[in-house]
Amino acid sequence: DAMVIQNPRYQVTQFGKPVTLSCSQTLNHNVMYWYQQKSSQAPKLLFHYYDKDFNNEADTPDNFQSRRPNTSFCFLDIRSPGLGDAAMYLCATRGSGGASYEQYFGPGTRLTVT
Amino acid sequence: AQSVTQLGSHVSVSEGALVLLRCNYSSSVPPYLFWYVQYPNQGLQLLLKYTTGATLVKGINGFEAEFKKSETSFHLTKPSAHMSDAAEYFCAVSVLGSNYKLTFGKGTLLTVNP
Repeated sequence: DAMVIQNPRYQVTQFGKPVTLSCSQTLNHNVMYWYQQKSSQAPKLLFHYYDKDFNNEADTPDNFQSRRPNTSFCFLDIRSPGLGDAAMYLCATRGSGGASYEQYFGPGTRLTVT
Repeated sequence: AQSVTQLGSHVSVSEGALVLLRCNYSSSVPPYLFWYVQYPNQGLQLLLKYTTGATLVKGINGFEAEFKKSETSFHLTKPSAHMSDAAEYFCAVSVLGSNYKLTFGKGTLLTVNP
């Protein structure tokens, strides 16, 4: 089945130690999104790619970066994680052809910062 | 800018009872509306969507929602709750021209009592 895959599902990192979260998709979708979801809150968009075009949300901290080396993969880099960055990180994709309005979400990576 | 308000952060129903989760939106252009469900430590799964056409939309697991433009609402209903419906439900809006970025409501936690 076509899907959105996130690895790892659970990630523990130390305060200030760089960490990378991975997302891959077999849907061949043009658009990929990264969301941050803190406990008992709604997902908050960090940034998205339309093909290779990177679109950052205005309030996304500089500490968060992203890479998309090809259509299938997208990475979220947190350069110096703080305790406040502990959250579920969700990757989503969307196709751009026809009536492609909905986003397809991966299972998420839960990040713990110690 | 778009916004979503979900009335009631927590809704509790008995098994077999009607489920009604309320969602109101704000948008200056025609909206696309979505309901997503999230089970603990998982990603978001699309329940249903409204884009254009028929205002009563049916989704998975027996859920449906009605788009009412005059009331700016998109309430989610299910005639008979099942224990497996217990989860967090998010209403979301997107619009053409924003790369269909999703703006989520704060979510409603549905509890189903035996």
